[in-house]
Amino acid sequence: AQSVTQLGSHVSVSEGALVLLRCNYSSSVPPYLFWYVQYPNQGLQLLLKYTTGATLVKGINGFEAEFKKSETSFHLTKPSAHMSDAAEYFCAVSGRGNKLVFGAGTILRVKS
Amino acid sequence: KAGVTQTPRYLIKTRGQQVTLSCSPISGHRSVSWYQQTPGQGLQFLFEYFSETQRNKGNFPGRFSGRQFSNSRSEMNVSTLELGDSALYLCASSWVRGPKNTEAFFGQGTRLTVV
Repeated sequence: AQSVTQLGSHVSVSEGALVLLRCNYSSSVPPYLFWYVQYPNQGLQLLLKYTTGATLVKGINGFEAEFKKSETSFHLTKPSAHMSDAAEYFCAVSGRGNKLVFGAGTILRVKS
Repeated sequence: KAGVTQTPRYLIKTRGQQVTLSCSPISGHRSVSWYQQTPGQGLQFLFEYFSETQRNKGNFPGRFSGRQFSNSRSEMNVSTLELGDSALYLCASSWVRGPKNTEAFFGQGTRLTVV
């Protein structure tokens, strides 16, 4: 079985500051891990994914995440926040199938 | 390449009615999954279809059902609607299932409001 915990339902950063969104997972099999972003009244857009191989993965819009097996974490970072990054972010895990298990989401607010 | 298309985008129904939502996956994709998104429960997996067969099902009552056609398009149906069924219903398509599947593409969703 898989589960995801996102620490912090709301995160607020200033424009230009570091963005750090936390995600911890539980999986009984080697996981595939994903970060999705959702803008209001929209679907989910994939930011980045970890399947196998390099543990530091780079995604779109300057985001990256590092898979740390020992810590069961997959935190999302971006060096410098833009106003356009304001959205809700979801971490998800799949166990080699097509079913995604999502975290509760983190709403990112970017202050000018 | 067209993305995942969900219709309709918005729907208002009355308690007790039934509703059918449609999802057209990306061309060539054979797997379609459905998710329910609510403020209280978040994103929850409903079911997955592949090659016209339901392959996986989430923990939802039997009022929620679905099907997939030979062209991979999928529909989900909710019967005897309850107020708690108000949600954003998201469809995701993948080209394959199992270990080789590494990405799901989501549609914009259907916003269902039950009054």
